[in-house]
Amino acid sequence: GAVVSQHPSWVICKSGTSVKIECRSLDFQATTMFWYRQFPKQSLMLMATSNEGSKATYEQGVEKDKFLINHASLTLSTLTVTSAHPEDSSFYICSARDSGRGPWGTQYFGPGTRLTVL
Amino acid sequence: QQQVKQSPQSLIVQKGGIPIINCAYENTAFDYFPWYQQFPGKGPALLIAIRPDVSEKKEGRFTISFNKSAKQFSLHIMDSQPGDSATYFCAAKSGNTPLVFGKGTRLSVIA
Repeated sequence: GAVVSQHPSWVICKSGTSVKIECRSLDFQATTMFWYRQFPKQSLMLMATSNEGSKATYEQGVEKDKFLINHASLTLSTLTVTSAHPEDSSFYICSARDSGRGPWGTQYFGPGTRLTVL
Repeated sequence: QQQVKQSPQSLIVQKGGIPIINCAYENTAFDYFPWYQQFPGKGPALLIAIRPDVSEKKEGRFTISFNKSAKQFSLHIMDSQPGDSATYFCAAKSGNTPLVFGKGTRLSVIA
């Protein structure tokens, strides 16, 4: 149980285009989902927290107009990288908290999406 | 300011050895301390987690030791295997807040 999927697993796009990444909790409901970014050989950096049905909360330094987050249902959150540039190339990982366990719910992570912007 | 300090940055042990990874925190409001394992190109996977009301938790070959007064916790891997070679992250959170991660430890288990 507790599986989180991400799609696509990797994507290559041209500079200036937008890319959408989907995150789904497959066997549990997730009121809260998180989006992280990870550079090679570095730790996970929290970008934003999304709550179902409300606006996402972005961490300091993360451009909310560039990284659009939508959490439309209890099992789906999307991250759209708008007008992507090469510096946006990174490994993006989503995480979902099992709502059934309240705020103490474990965070489960997706397999990540490798974004390369040419 | 780094909220969770993890050491060492990298670690090499022989097969069968017991690698130990340490983490220290400052925020006394933290009440949940998980460890994640990450293989290259994959997302982190939850290994084991502990709450501050216990001093030790064991699951299979993985053990967390927790020292509340010292604000430290550590991961021990018993009888380590080459397949355990990965990056390990400690993390912590308080109530409803998102996890805060350490910088990670790259573990290599050599045969």
